[in-house]
Amino acid sequence: EVQLLESGGGLVQPGGSLRLSCAASGFTFASYAMHWVRQAPGKGLEWVSGISGGGDITYYADSVRGRFTISRDNSKNTVYLQMNSLRAEDTAIYYCAKKMSARPYFDYWGQGTLVTVSS
Amino acid sequence: EIVLTQSPGTLSLSPGERATLSCRASQSVSSSYLAWYQQKSGQAPRLLIYGASSRATGIPDRFSGTGSGTDFTLTISRLDPEDFAVYYCQQYGSSYTFGQGTKLEVK
Repeated sequence: EVQLLESGGGLVQPGGSLRLSCAASGFTFASYAMHWVRQAPGKGLEWVSGISGGGDITYYADSVRGRFTISRDNSKNTVYLQMNSLRAEDTAIYYCAKKMSARPYFDYWGQGTLVTVSS
Repeated sequence: EIVLTQSPGTLSLSPGERATLSCRASQSVSSSYLAWYQQKSGQAPRLLIYGASSRATGIPDRFSGTGSGTDFTLTISRLDPEDFAVYYCQQYGSSYTFGQGTKLEVK
């Protein structure tokens, strides 16, 4: 059974940093790209970032490029999202999602971790 | 960036009725790189349909997807009480984008 478990969310001041983690199990982790998708309170879904299975290719939404960094440790079956220079508009539930093989869809999602940026 | 516009914003129907949800793209979606997700309150999204018309693993056959180019439709043939949720379409072009969602509520 595929499981994705996010952690690391919390309350942070504007301009601060936070690192999210997503621990995966139930599939061959290194064979799949992983992504982060966020959802502001009461709003829709916004794709944030993605990383290839080997970790050599990364992708970012314009809204976070230069502030967020995605990485992965295939020995630990974990993907990370380092978030710097956080803004109020980054407040959201952050979901970790597994991308389907060779197809641009997200077939498994974690339950999410809440990030609140506020003074 | 391709913008997806979903309609209606809210759809009020009764169990057993047929639901038709629309997703329109600002430009053609290549190779039908279009998916539909269901999100129930307080839960993560769940993949329903990919490639515009293929059901994901474990999805009941009352869910179906059609369309190509810029116009896509999700149809639920007979609404079950568990189907009342928010539905999002998603595309991949040069980046990933989602529609704003359609809330399917009990009439």
